[in-house]
Amino acid sequence: GQQLNQSPQSMFIQEGEDVSMNCTSSSIFNTWLWYKQEPGEGPVLLIALYKAGELTSNGRLTAQFGITRKDSFLNISASIPSDVGIYFCAGRAGGTSYGKLTFGQGTILTVHP
Amino acid sequence: DTEVTQTPKHLVMGMTNKKSLKCEQHMGHRAMYWYKQKAKKPPELMFVYSYEKLSINESVPSRFSPECPNSSLLNLHLHALQPEDSALYLCASSRAGTRGSGDTQYFGPGTRLTVL
Repeated sequence: GQQLNQSPQSMFIQEGEDVSMNCTSSSIFNTWLWYKQEPGEGPVLLIALYKAGELTSNGRLTAQFGITRKDSFLNISASIPSDVGIYFCAGRAGGTSYGKLTFGQGTILTVHP
Repeated sequence: DTEVTQTPKHLVMGMTNKKSLKCEQHMGHRAMYWYKQKAKKPPELMFVYSYEKLSINESVPSRFSPECPNSSLLNLHLHALQPEDSALYLCASSRAGTRGSGDTQYFGPGTRLTVL
């Protein structure tokens, strides 16, 4: 099946630092989604990307749909303690059915005050 | 409003019990999903309903039985579960079958299931 390589697996940063994480695939993706999940809760959609090259911001978060359609990154600027959680990338690979998202393994973010 | 609600929040059941998980959305979405998630792992797709019809079953054991009574509701009936079925069960919804926004799934808070 499709696989997404998400990196880094975990990050330990100081409050105020910027964060960058990315996902890559050997296949072309039609959609890239970024979610944040906190303990005991469901994933919350942060940013959705639909076109190659698209750059979208949501507050301190910025994500891009790679030109090759095989990668995406998420940046968080000026991190704060409430940014703690697991960040998942997800997407639908070309040729797969609607509804079948592939997920990355997640990036665990820890922010020290 | 991008809210998907799930009940109950927590469920503990024995291996001989029958229970049901419920999911509801009022976003007018016509696709709904069940996922299973283990700790610190990504969600794993179980079932997809599109226009109230089951469109994808990811080879899920028959002890899990989905039901979509109408376009806003999704149930997951549980029977004779095993301890390894303990997990967070997530419901999601999206527009159905449209490129782009149809891929964008909104998740509920999940039901934490423990099977004893």
